[in-house]
Amino acid sequence: AQSVTQLDSHVSVSEGTPVLLRCNYSSSYSPSLFWYVQHPNKGLQLLLKYTSAATLVKGINGFEAEFKKSETSFHLTKPSAHMSDAAEYFCVVSWSASQGAQKLVFGQGTRLTINP
Amino acid sequence: ETGVTQTPRHLVMGMTNKKSLKCEQHLGHNAMYWYKQSAKKPLELMFVYSLEERVENNSVPSRFSPECPNSSHLFLHLHTLQPEDSALYLCASSQEGGLGTDTQYFGPGTRLTVL
Repeated sequence: AQSVTQLDSHVSVSEGTPVLLRCNYSSSYSPSLFWYVQHPNKGLQLLLKYTSAATLVKGINGFEAEFKKSETSFHLTKPSAHMSDAAEYFCVVSWSASQGAQKLVFGQGTRLTINP
Repeated sequence: ETGVTQTPRHLVMGMTNKKSLKCEQHLGHNAMYWYKQSAKKPLELMFVYSLEERVENNSVPSRFSPECPNSSHLFLHLHTLQPEDSALYLCASSQEGGLGTDTQYFGPGTRLTVL
């Protein structure tokens, strides 16, 4: 079975300091992993994804994540937080289901707050 | 318009009403999805359509009835809902390659309140 655990429900950092959002996964297959961001009253936007190529994945807005199979982790980082980064972040594991359709399992989300 | 659009953005309905949520994707994708996002719960996959055929129904109550008339449109018909069905309903689409690596593109959601 596939599952995702986001280790922090809420992270608060100061503007200009590093961001670390933690995610551990469990998968019976070689996983595809995603990070999505959701700003208030908006839909989800893809930040980055890992699909068994390079283990360090770079995404939009300066975010990156590293796939560590030995630790079953896919933590999201950013060197310097910006006020516009305040949002809900979701770690997601994906696999191919019946008839080629894709299934996603979402973590419970981490709310990122940026302090001025 | 571009991307994935959803209408209405907000909906308030009584438990005896019948309403429909609409989703349209302008990306040429061949798969569409309905998700439910409730407070304090992870996003839940409700239905998956691939090539206009329903391929996944995640034990969703029959008061939710999906319809996919073509690859660009997806509806969620609602009837005799319960207050616990109040949530944000998100639609997504993707171009399925059968490998589970495809990116899903999400609409802004419909905020549903059931009185």
